[in-house]
Amino acid sequence: QVQLVQSGAEVKKPGASVKVSCKASGYTFTSYGISWVRQAPGQGLEWMGWISAYNGNTNYAQKLQGRVTMTTDTSTSTAYMELRSLRSDDTAVYYCARGAIATRFDPWGQGTLVTVSS
Amino acid sequence: NFMLTQPHSVSESPGKTVTISCTRSSGSIASNYVQWYQQRPGSAPTTVIYEDNQRPSGVPDRFSGSIDSSSNSASLTISGLKTEDEADYYCQSYDSSNAVFGGGTQLTVL
Repeated sequence: QVQLVQSGAEVKKPGASVKVSCKASGYTFTSYGISWVRQAPGQGLEWMGWISAYNGNTNYAQKLQGRVTMTTDTSTSTAYMELRSLRSDDTAVYYCARGAIATRFDPWGQGTLVTVSS
Repeated sequence: NFMLTQPHSVSESPGKTVTISCTRSSGSIASNYVQWYQQRPGSAPTTVIYEDNQRPSGVPDRFSGSIDSSSNSASLTISGLKTEDEADYYCQSYDSSNAVFGGGTQLTVL
């Protein structure tokens, strides 16, 4: 079955960087994009951006431009999301999901909690 | 960027029907597909409606989606409510360069 498995929880200090991985299985990785969505504690879903696993093209949410980088490793069917210059309001559960901007996000990974605290 | 506005919460009794609205602030609701996601506490979202009114396999036909150009909104209707439907529901759409989520609606089945 189609499955996305994410890396484990992280605790980071303000100003640091975090890199979350998302390993895909059960489908041809390069045939779909991977989107990243985050959810702050008790809050709603926020789209962060997406990457084409076919050619590596990316599209990032404007508010994260300059701080986020999304990449893929097609040899391992893994997508990565790196967020730099972390602030306390970056504390959230980060999800990857199969899909691009104009397609449904399905399925989703299990989520990775990133806590930013001094 | 446009916004999608949902009611913060709705509640209804088991067996009844509830409708959750999602209003697009600018641009036509009919121009880009709308998806609906269900999120239970502690779990990742799952798709209940995609492309305005399509149900993924495994989603019961009690769930239906529609769009209304006159109000520039989309709706998720759940009929024959069950306690297991209690969850947060998010609408989602997009434009040429961004995906956008609604703020989410907490559905209580009491």
